[in-house]
Amino acid sequence: DVKVTQSSRYLVKRTGEKVFLECVQDMDHENMFWYRQDPGLGLRLIYFSYDVKMKEKGDIPEGYSVSREKKERFSLILESASTNQTSMYLCASSSRLDNEQFFGPGTRLTVL
Amino acid sequence: QQPVQSPQAVILREGEDAVINCSSSKALYSVHWYRQKHGEAPVFLMILLKGGEQKGHDKISASFNEKKQQSSLYLTASQLSYSGTYFCGTESMNTGFQKLVFGTGTRLLVSP
Repeated sequence: DVKVTQSSRYLVKRTGEKVFLECVQDMDHENMFWYRQDPGLGLRLIYFSYDVKMKEKGDIPEGYSVSREKKERFSLILESASTNQTSMYLCASSSRLDNEQFFGPGTRLTVL
Repeated sequence: QQPVQSPQAVILREGEDAVINCSSSKALYSVHWYRQKHGEAPVFLMILLKGGEQKGHDKISASFNEKKQQSSLYLTASQLSYSGTYFCGTESMNTGFQKLVFGTGTRLLVSP
């Protein structure tokens, strides 16, 4: 059974804290993605990685960074969390062959 | 720029049909459709590639009009399990391959 897992389902942090969101996939996929989902705005791409140590900015990268040191793991980092980063964060992975994206269960982050 | 989905929401009785549209201003390479049930991760439904093909999956099918940069998702004889939010994701030469830009979603509620 293919799987994308995320480190936390719910997270509460304070403004200014550094936040790490972890995503792991077991499908040997080349591509990994971080999205945020907000009501009425759909899924917006933050960052995308198509290989180990490779990354590309998505549509809303400001305030975020990413790290991909191993093929199965893709981390999203909020260097200094702000209240406007309160959101649902979804990780996804896909094969370069067909690009069907498999999503993780999401992390609901609240920044106080 | 996100693709435009219409309608934003639709309510059906079990057994009725629905059409969800997705329209882009970009020259598209592919259109992907996903369904997200409340509290769950989005799940892949189908991909339509440039070439104007139509695909079907049980009672859910989709078409892609390459000239108009539009895709439509057809839900026939709807079932209670079809309830959820439907997202189209578009892949274009402008934004780069393997990266999807998602629409804001169409909420579908099927009632008994």
